[in-house]
Order: sequence, then C-alpha cells, then structure tokens
Amino acid sequence: EAGVVQSPRYKIIEKKQPVAFWCNPISGHNTLYWYRQNLGQGPELLIRYENEEAVDDSQLPKDRFSAERLKGVDSTLKIQPAELGDSAVYLCASSLDLTGFPYNEQFFGPGTRLTVL
Amino acid sequence: DQQVKQNSPSLSVQEGRISILNCDYTNSMFDYFLWYKKYPAEGPTFLISISSIKDKNEDGRFTVFLNKSAKHLSLHIVPSQPGDSAVYFCAASAIGTGGFKTIFGAGTRLFVKA
Repeated sequence: EAGVVQSPRYKIIEKKQPVAFWCNPISGHNTLYWYRQNLGQGPELLIRYENEEAVDDSQLPKDRFSAERLKGVDSTLKIQPAELGDSAVYLCASSLDLTGFPYNEQFFGPGTRLTVL
Repeated sequence: DQQVKQNSPSLSVQEGRISILNCDYTNSMFDYFLWYKKYPAEGPTFLISISSIKDKNEDGRFTVFLNKSAKHLSLHIVPSQPGDSAVYFCAASAIGTGGFKTIFGAGTRLFVKA
C-alpha cells in the first residue's frame, strides 16, 4: 500500500515568491493534515481537513497561506508571498478517523523542505 | 507556551541497554498520548500510544508509562538496538472546540551505540 505522497521534496525560492506543495493521502483516509516543522521543533498543525471540509485552520496564517482539498482526496498548500521565516519542513499526514474515536494514528509523508532566500 | 515538553534534546545509550525518553505536559485536558519515531529525510511514523485511563502500554520492546498526577509520560526501549537511533516525538491529544487537537513535543534524538 502506498504511503502519503508529497511533492516536491525540496524547494528553494526567493522571498516574496509564491510556492505550492501537493499531498496525496493514503487511499481511503478521510482526514488530512498539514503541519509545519521548524528546525529543532516538533510538527505544528496548520490545517486539518475532514473529507473536503477544513475543520481546524486556527493556526493557518491566512494572510499568506491557503489550502484546498477540493474532492476530499489530495490537497494543495500555498504560500503567497513567501517570507524568510517560512523556511521549514512542511509535512502532510492522513488518518482514517472512525466515528466515536478521533484519536487515530496519523501517517506522515516525507515532507517538503522549503528554503526561502 | 509549550504544552508538551521533551526536555532532553538528545540521549546516548549503549546497545542492549534500556533507553528512557521522557515527556511532560501541562494541559490536564490531554487524554491520549502517542510516540512517533522519525528517521532523517522521512516523516514521523507512529510507534505506540496510551489512553489516559491506563498507566502502561507495552508493545514488544517498547513500553509507555503514564503518570497523570505528575503529567508525565515516558517511553522505555529494552533492549535498545542501533536501528532505534532516530528522533522520538511525544504527542498529546485532547478533544476541544473544532474537534481534537494533537500537540507535539520538540523531540529527543536517540543515539544507540553498537
């Protein structure tokens, strides 16, 4: 079974440029997460989708970040314009959340390492 | 405000000995805890979890202990193997407005020496 797929794996851009990351979750997983991981820190949630609905985007900097999961499958995270502080690893994860038990194992992709110059 | 703290950035252990990784949390609303392992250039992978109604959960060489009164959990690896060398993240989950939230610690890098 294929795991969570992310692309690109690495991206280097200059500040003020736009950038987009793509994620394809594990087939059948209804919940998708985008995390940002700064150097020496743990993953921090940016947005969580249940199917195509964003149910938690409280930590997403909405002035420059946007995300979509139009058909409840793959997802795109965009930053426009990028700032120096956006340099980080962006992780996508998915899980199969069952009714009555939200604490399900999250499966992570390898991440996209973004460097903003 | 770090709700989940892993105060040891790194730990070095001899092969065959016990590795103990610690994690403290501040929010008493957390009721489910997980450990993830991460190798370089890969995403974190789930290792073991524990519900707040338990104080111990064991899976092979891995055991997680939970002390709710101290808001502390630990991961024991016995015996440690060189392949266990990785970064270990502690995570805590709680139900709140907007659904559940999972907060990750900063991680502890484990080195197992052969």
